[in-house]
Amino acid sequence: QKEVEQDPGPLSVPEGAIVSLNCTYSNSAFQYFMWYRQYSRKGPELLMYTYSSGNKEDGRFTAQVDKSSKYISLFIRDSQPSDSATYLCATVRGSSNTGKLIFGQGTTLQVKP
Amino acid sequence: SAVISQKPSRDICQRGTSLTIQCQVDSQVTMMFWYRQQPGQSLTLIATANQGSEATYESGFVIDKFPISRPNLTFSTLTVSNMSPEDSSIYLCSVDPRGVLRETQYFGPGTRLLVL
Repeated sequence: QKEVEQDPGPLSVPEGAIVSLNCTYSNSAFQYFMWYRQYSRKGPELLMYTYSSGNKEDGRFTAQVDKSSKYISLFIRDSQPSDSATYLCATVRGSSNTGKLIFGQGTTLQVKP
Repeated sequence: SAVISQKPSRDICQRGTSLTIQCQVDSQVTMMFWYRQQPGQSLTLIATANQGSEATYESGFVIDKFPISRPNLTFSTLTVSNMSPEDSSIYLCSVDPRGVLRETQYFGPGTRLLVL
């Protein structure tokens, strides 16, 4: 079983739609959760990170962690064509300062004008 | 944040040869990381490079295949040795500029390698 699982998609939505991207993880000890966005032919860029359970909002983006079900989500409101990218969820195995980033496979999102 | 550059951005190589990838950061950082991103696969950590010490390799990766140098706090190289088509991948370096928070790593643009 992979430590972090993510549906690779692709996911195609019309402009203005609400997008929901999801990951599941296997180890209840994971505490830190990140979402990265990767445009074509670019490196991943950190979008948001959260600690433990709950929600975190940043503009049109909301990250949500449900530790009871080992489920993490990224919601994008009023999606734009510029949001078209691959979104990777990640967590840290081990402590925050010595651990290892574990990534999901990435979900490819296309927002059509 | 940190600005990271990598050279080359892409290359096509023959099997059996070696390629050295360079990673340059615009600020001094303690730890640098090298990842591999194979088509349709997750980003996978190859090794962690600290200045002044041997790199620490993850399970499945060995120094003979992926030797790493870290001569100072802003630069690192990864060599992919004796390449085979299975080494075709994107190789990325990343840094942890705060030095204490893995959850805020920043990535370079990647080096796209195709081995024929």
